Amino acid sequence: KNEVEQSPQNLTAQEGEFITINCSYSVGISALHWLQQHPGGGIVSLFMLSSGKKKHGRLIATINIQEKHSSLHITASHPRDSAVYICAVLSQAGTALIFGKGTTLSVSS
Amino acid sequence: SQTIHQWPATLVQPVGSPLSLECTVEGTSNPNLYWYRQAAGRGLQLLFYSVGIGQISSEVPQNLSASRPQDRQFILSSKKLLLSDSGFYLCAWSGGLNYGYTFGSGTRLTVV
Repeated sequence: KNEVEQSPQNLTAQEGEFITINCSYSVGISALHWLQQHPGGGIVSLFMLSSGKKKHGRLIATINIQEKHSSLHITASHPRDSAVYICAVLSQAGTALIFGKGTTLSVSS
Repeated sequence: SQTIHQWPATLVQPVGSPLSLECTVEGTSNPNLYWYRQAAGRGLQLLFYSVGIGQISSEVPQNLSASRPQDRQFILSSKKLLLSDSGFYLCAWSGGLNYGYTFGSGTRLTVV
């Protein structure tokens, strides 16, 4: 079993829909990251959080440390949101990120 | 501001040939540097990380090696590439354990 599990693996949506991507992890962590990878491969860091909730534009990330679970929400989705969204955690004992396999999101107009 | 440069963007190499991928960081000092690989259909996997010049830690035994000859330079190498070395290689830097990560644009390596 992977230490970081994401669901769903693939997600299709119509423009304007509310999107939720889930991440569960099995290790104690000091931080959790949400990343976005576009078709060309480049990765952009969206959020780093260790508790509570963060919001940036139409993106919202939440984390529940007790339940070892995080969610990434996209409000009013747009085709330009189409990308792979990756959850990654920094374990308390580790020095580098542990990545989930990613969720491929496709938003059509 | 901090920037990270990674090159080349794509590379096609024959089996048995050597490899050298370079990553440099600007605008920061003493960064933590990382090499990750993303094989087709799989998540990112940590290959090497470095917390300082000449300090390299390897997470996965493999056909690759890494070096950090300067504070802001991180090099991924191989003496003889294997077909299984094909993948997408990403360099990243971080200011420390509780800092965000910045990723390079990646190198897509195809070994033929």
